[in-house]
Amino acid sequence: NAGVTQTPKFQVLKTGQSMTLQCAQDMNHEYMSWYRQDPGMGLRLIHYSVGAGITDQGEVPNGYNVSRSTTEDFPLRLLSAAPSQTSVYFCASSPVPTRGFFTDTQYFGPGTRLTVL
Amino acid sequence: TQLLEQSPQFLSIQEGENLTVYCNSSSVFSSLQWYRQEPGEGPVLLVTVVTGGEVKKLKRLTFQFGDARKDSSLHITAAQPGDTGLYLCAGAGTYKYIFGTGTRLKVLA
Repeated sequence: NAGVTQTPKFQVLKTGQSMTLQCAQDMNHEYMSWYRQDPGMGLRLIHYSVGAGITDQGEVPNGYNVSRSTTEDFPLRLLSAAPSQTSVYFCASSPVPTRGFFTDTQYFGPGTRLTVL
Repeated sequence: TQLLEQSPQFLSIQEGENLTVYCNSSSVFSSLQWYRQEPGEGPVLLVTVVTGGEVKKLKRLTFQFGDARKDSSLHITAAQPGDTGLYLCAGAGTYKYIFGTGTRLKVLA
């Protein structure tokens, strides 16, 4: 099992460009999520999904879109990159929380380091 | 908005010393997890605590969940250089985790 994979590992964009960060998992997990990590701010939830076709917003969704057409994949799209989106992005997956509450392990990918100039 | 404050933010200690990291909130969480993150990698789960007052041990690491399920602590006994890393707590809400601000630990040989 590869676990959670993310591509690319590094990316540099110019302001206004768009791009898609890829995330895939091979553990048949229903729950997937995207976080951004900035110095001194821990991880902040961008979007999450509880299954194919179902997505919802997290703490900091503005400027990002997601879709979930399969259980395995959960891409994150930046529509028009801004310098404020310079960050490290992590994708994570876990079994769907029982009645909405987590007790299982959440597995993280290795991250994508994004710089917007 | 639910917030999790971790303290201290940075900690540099000598090998063999003990330390405690705190994770505090005004909100109640259904469970709380602790993660360790190495540079250039994603966080890795250390433990999940679910019941108020619960204490879990993982070798030299002891985790406690507050009675009211609003706070938690991580105690490391006889720290080793291999314990160096970023420690994150995360409180579970409905379909969401709220992460703490992190404690960066450096253990000097």
